[in-house]
Amino acid sequence: DIVMTQSPDSLAVSLGERATINCKSSQSVLYSSNNRNYFAWYQQKPGQPPKLLIYWASTRESGVPDRFSGSGSGTDFTLTISSLQPEDVAVYYCQQYYSSPLTFGQGTKVEIK
Amino acid sequence: QVQLQESGPGLVKPSQTLSLTCTVSGNSITGGIYYWSWIRQPAGKGLEWIGRIYSTGSTDYNPSLKSRVTISEDPSKNEFSLRLSSVTATDTAFYYCARGRVVSGGFDAFDIWGQGTMVTVS
Repeated sequence: DIVMTQSPDSLAVSLGERATINCKSSQSVLYSSNNRNYFAWYQQKPGQPPKLLIYWASTRESGVPDRFSGSGSGTDFTLTISSLQPEDVAVYYCQQYYSSPLTFGQGTKVEIK
Repeated sequence: QVQLQESGPGLVKPSQTLSLTCTVSGNSITGGIYYWSWIRQPAGKGLEWIGRIYSTGSTDYNPSLKSRVTISEDPSKNEFSLRLSSVTATDTAFYYCARGRVVSGGFDAFDIWGQGTMVTVS
C-alpha cells in the first residue's frame, strides 16, 4: 500500500494569511507514460462529506476558489491557501489514486488564529 | 445535477452483515465513464477506501477488508451496494459512497460524494 503522510496535523493561521499543507507519499504517484501525478486534495467541513479541491496534483476542480492551489510531483505535494478565509476552516486530506488500494493522508486541521 | 444517497440500517449486531445501498440520480452507473466507490470514516478519524465497482461490474477491494466485502450494482435501479460481513465494533463508522472518473490512464479522483450514513455495530 502507498502510505500518505501529511504535515502538520493541525495549523492555525490568521485570516488573510497563507496556509500550507504538505503530503508525502511512500512511493511515487507519477505515471511516466502520461506524466500525470495521480494525487488529489479534499476539504471536509464538520458534518459534511469530503469535497474535491484539486486533482492531478495541481488541477483545481470546477467552482473551487483560486486561492486554493496544489503543487508537487512524484512523492512530495503541497496544498496552499493563499489568503485564509473563515469558510476555509476544515480538515484537509490528500489522496493517491495511482494504485489500489486507494489511500488517504491522516488529515490536517486548519483553524483561524 | 448528480446526487448520491446512501441508505441502510444504522445499527448492526456484531458478527452480522452490514448492507448499504447508494442510489445515484442524474447519472447512469453504467457506461464506463465513472467508477463507484465506498469509503468509510470512523467518527473523528480519517478516511478508508473500501472498494469500487466499474465497467460492467468489475470490482476492486481494499485487501484489508477483501475477505469480508462485496460491492455489487443494480443498473435497473441505478444503484450500487456494499455488503460487509462478520462486522465488529471496529466497523462502526460513517459510510460514504462516491463517484470517480475513469480516464485514459486509469482512474481519477472522487468528484461527487454522498452525504454519508452512520453505521453502528453494537
